[in-house]
Parts: sequence; structure tokens; C-alpha cells
Amino acid sequence: SQQGEEDPQALSIQEGENATMNCSYKTSINNLQWYRQNSGRGLVHLILIRSNEREKHSGRLRVTLDTSKKSSSLLITASRAADTASYFCAPTRNSGNTPLVFGKGTRLSVIA
Amino acid sequence: EAGVAQSPRYKIIEKRQSVAFWCNPISGHATLYWYQQILGQGPKLLIQFQNNGVVDDSQLPKDRFSAERLKGVDSTLKIQPAKLEDSAVYLCASSFRGQVPGELFFGEGSRLTVL
Repeated sequence: SQQGEEDPQALSIQEGENATMNCSYKTSINNLQWYRQNSGRGLVHLILIRSNEREKHSGRLRVTLDTSKKSSSLLITASRAADTASYFCAPTRNSGNTPLVFGKGTRLSVIA
Repeated sequence: EAGVAQSPRYKIIEKRQSVAFWCNPISGHATLYWYQQILGQGPKLLIQFQNNGVVDDSQLPKDRFSAERLKGVDSTLKIQPAKLEDSAVYLCASSFRGQVPGELFFGEGSRLTVL
């Protein structure tokens, strides 16, 4: 199993600004996923990027992956108060049902 | 499509008492996970089932925690006797083998407070 380390641990921005959070991992992977967790709720899958992809977009989300540096970043553009949540990355080495291992996450606060 | 269902949502017990949590995964999902999430931390895997067989329970404290998945559908997680450090949110997740590799669908969690 893999574990990603998210950075920073906490981030506070104004509504409308962009938010960038990073994920680092230690060994080779097949894909990397990002999840969001609103306070008191379960995790929700946001996006998956495969090891042969460098960048992927989904709405206001942009994810990059640099396998040479073993790092990924999640950019949320034009942030909204509703984006306030914790964000977790989950690098995966094997496909199929390898369990995801989560770090401590990045706590994002978007101030209206 | 219905999501992952968990109950109860909240439970308060005294230490040394027992508690059980129930999870109903998304229909057709063969893999089921239980995670423990302590306040301020990320989810930690307790146990993974593939159908009704255990794939990984290496981090399950087996002296007090047990889990089963009868008939490869619903699952229960039991703690007996509970300790103060078991206060956490217990998250159930499921995935459909063969779909997007590793994508998990989570329930809302069961928050346990041990006094």
C-alpha cells in the first residue's frame, strides 16, 4: 500500500481565489486519486489521474502528476465557500482493489 | 443509485461497553472496507472484504474488534470492550472490482464517543 502526504496541513483563502494543495509519495504508482471530505461527512472521490498522464481537468479542478518527483497537485480555481473541506490524496501502486491509504489531508477554509 | 448506508450515525457508550456498526454497500460492489478516522487525522484502514472473505485485516485490533460480512453484502463491525481511544468516526466504503481501479464510495460514517 501507498500513503501520500498532503501539504500544507491547513490553507485559508478568500472566496474567488485559487487553492493549491500538494501530495508527495515515496514509491512508484499506477494512479493517484483525490478525495474531498466535508465536515461530518464521508469522503467523496474527486478525480483520478493515471501514471501516464501529466494533467487532468474536471470542472474547476486541475490535477497534475509528476512521477519523476513523486508528487501531485490539486488546484481549485475560483474557490467557493462550499469548497471548505479536507482534501486527501491516495496514490495506488496496483490496480483493482488494493486498499487506499490516506494521509492527514489538507484542511481548506474558504472565507466568504 | 443508492449510496453506502451506515447506522447508527452517532453512538455514545461508556468504556468497557460494546457497540456494533452496520454497513450496506452499493449494490453489486464486491469489495467492502471499514476505516477508522480519529479527529484531525485521515482514515485508517481496519479491514477489507472481497465478497464475504477477508482480504486484509492486518490493522484490526483483534482483541476487541471484529467484523463480518455475511452473504457478501451487509457488514457489521463490533467493538467489545470499548476503550476511550476508540472514539472516532467509523467509515464504511465499497468499490466495484473492475470499474475505475480503486475508486471508493464512502458512507456518511458512524461517530462513536466512548466516555
